[in-house]
Amino acid sequence: GEDVEQSLFLSVREGDSSVINCTYTDSSSTYLYWYKQEPGAGLQLLTYIFSNMDMKQDQRLTVLLNKKDKHLSLRIADTQTGDSAIYFCAEKRTTDKLIFGTGTRLQVFP
Amino acid sequence: DTAVSQTPKYLVTQMGNDKSIKCEQNLGHDTMYWYKQDSKKFLKIMFSYNNKELIINETVPNRFSPKSPDKAHLNLHINSLELGDSAVYFCASSQDGASGSDEQFFGPGTRLTVL
Repeated sequence: GEDVEQSLFLSVREGDSSVINCTYTDSSSTYLYWYKQEPGAGLQLLTYIFSNMDMKQDQRLTVLLNKKDKHLSLRIADTQTGDSAIYFCAEKRTTDKLIFGTGTRLQVFP
Repeated sequence: DTAVSQTPKYLVTQMGNDKSIKCEQNLGHDTMYWYKQDSKKFLKIMFSYNNKELIINETVPNRFSPKSPDKAHLNLHINSLELGDSAVYFCASSQDGASGSDEQFFGPGTRLTVL
């Protein structure tokens, strides 16, 4: 099927690391993305990774890709209250369309 | 300056009515999209246009008709609105939809409520 799965909720304490996981389905996906959606707003691209890479780091964000298991993760170091949002992974298929995951709501508490 | 704008931000209407949502991007992008986000936050693409031509047309009811008068605009017209059409509709644009790392820029969304 087309489902890209994510866990629904994640709750972390401020200053801890957050790890958001995503399982996708299409092994031919070329790019994988992480988007952030704050309340009442549209989606904002955080980072992306090409399918022939297994890791990408961008400041507090680390993306890990396990292509064999079709598993993608986003690690946020030193999580802040401003990181509270819904995080979506997305895969770009050869048809050029983005398939979004089900979204993970991250809550950061003091 | 807003990169991708949508109007209206909120739309409340009765079942059976016809309504339109407008989208404009000032980024000079070639590709524009419409997405639907349901109450569970599940986001799914509906349409994609590249330079005014339809590229992606997912299995949405034919009551939904996108119109692209020029590459900076992609409007969504919905006929005979139904309760199940209630959702947040997002417009997005990208420089070139076929380019892999191509970032999609999203509008703020239009919350449609059908009563």
